[in-house]
Amino acid sequence: GNSVTQMEGPVTLSEEAFLTINCTYTATGYPSLFWYVQYPGEGLQLLLKATKADDKGSNKGFEATYRKETTSFHLEKGSVQVSDSAVYFCALSDRNQGGKLIFGQGTELSVKP
Amino acid sequence: DTAVSQTPKYLVTQMGNDKSIKCEQNLGHDTMYWYKQDSKKFLKIMFSYNNKELIINETVPNRFSPKSPDKAHLNLHINSLELGDSAVYFCASSQVEDEQYFGPGTRLTVT
Repeated sequence: GNSVTQMEGPVTLSEEAFLTINCTYTATGYPSLFWYVQYPGEGLQLLLKATKADDKGSNKGFEATYRKETTSFHLEKGSVQVSDSAVYFCALSDRNQGGKLIFGQGTELSVKP
Repeated sequence: DTAVSQTPKYLVTQMGNDKSIKCEQNLGHDTMYWYKQDSKKFLKIMFSYNNKELIINETVPNRFSPKSPDKAHLNLHINSLELGDSAVYFCASSQVEDEQYFGPGTRLTVT
């Protein structure tokens, strides 16, 4: 079945450091890929998405590229801020499975001043 | 305006009780979902409705019963609550095959 694997956290960085959170997926079809962010005590917010191979999603300085050949969708940001501290979830959605989201286990990011 | 709202935000109850969580979306979406987030923050789909019709029912105990009175509402009723039901429950909505918009969550604590 479809699945998503993320790098384990927690990840602790200093402000202005470069961020990479690895995400790989297994899917039988052609899924859409997403990154969601969950700030403490809140629900999930869509950060970015990509719907087909080689698409790049970007938002708020974050980027991720849909790599079909490596089945990956790694999240990157060039310079993190304290306000980026949150839990980040990689997810896939397969139209053949009713559009449900299958999530990775989440990666907690803590950015120190 | 809140796009996806849930009530209550917190729910504390004893084992064996029956409780409901309500969800409403004002985005005009056709599809609504319930997800469960466990203590390790892992998220898993429970149910999905499209235009009031059940389309996804994962392996959830039948103590959990979703109800969709119209396409803007999806409620979750839980019978005979158990300790293991303690979690955060998220409602979400989407147009088919598009990104999902999540509610703020309901933290259920069973004592």
